[in-house]
Amino acid sequence: EPEVTQTPSHQVTQMGQEVILRCVPISNHLYFYWYRQILGQKVEFLVSFYNNEISEKSEIFDDQFSVERPDGSNFTLKIRSTKLEDSAMYFCASNGGAGTGELFFGEGSRLTVL
Amino acid sequence: AQTVTQSQPEMSVQEAETVTLSCTYDTSENNYYLFWYKQPPSRQMILVIRQEAYKQQNATENRFSVNFQKAAKSFSLKISDSQLGDTAMYFCAFMKRLNRDDKIIFGKGTRLHILP
Repeated sequence: EPEVTQTPSHQVTQMGQEVILRCVPISNHLYFYWYRQILGQKVEFLVSFYNNEISEKSEIFDDQFSVERPDGSNFTLKIRSTKLEDSAMYFCASNGGAGTGELFFGEGSRLTVL
Repeated sequence: AQTVTQSQPEMSVQEAETVTLSCTYDTSENNYYLFWYKQPPSRQMILVIRQEAYKQQNATENRFSVNFQKAAKSFSLKISDSQLGDTAMYFCAFMKRLNRDDKIIFGKGTRLHILP
């Protein structure tokens, strides 16, 4: 069964460092998302992406965050200068746009900022 | 803005019992989707069940069923004959149906423990 894959599963970084989280969405999907889950808290929307541009972003998604789809398969989330409060689980999701409303999620990338 | 509220942070039930998880939401939309997602310790978010707001019939998926009350904006999940593998965090979620790229909004989750 097709699935969304994310790498790395866990990354530890120093505050102020740049981090890139990678996602490979399901191959025929058109809509892509990043969500964040701080430990023990709700899953929060960060950004949606369609047709090589951001469709919508939340207040969390400030200038330190960026997304791109560099090669038609990977979908990346970059955090330019990490802060302690960026420590969270980051989930990538994709949607085939078939009108089912279902998002398929990856297993998440845990980011720990020290 | 849409909101999703789950009032039960944590629940425990014995294996084989039936358990109901509560969810309420607030929206001014008329057409939308509601979901229950399961997040086991393995972390991945797995879709359990989906309800389209224009459908009056409650969705069912094997042991999982919902009680969708549109007027009351309530969307509870019932798990029958609960199994140890049902132990997980359960998130109620909402999506507007207007645009295909619309985001899902999650509640805070209910941590469910199935006891042997």
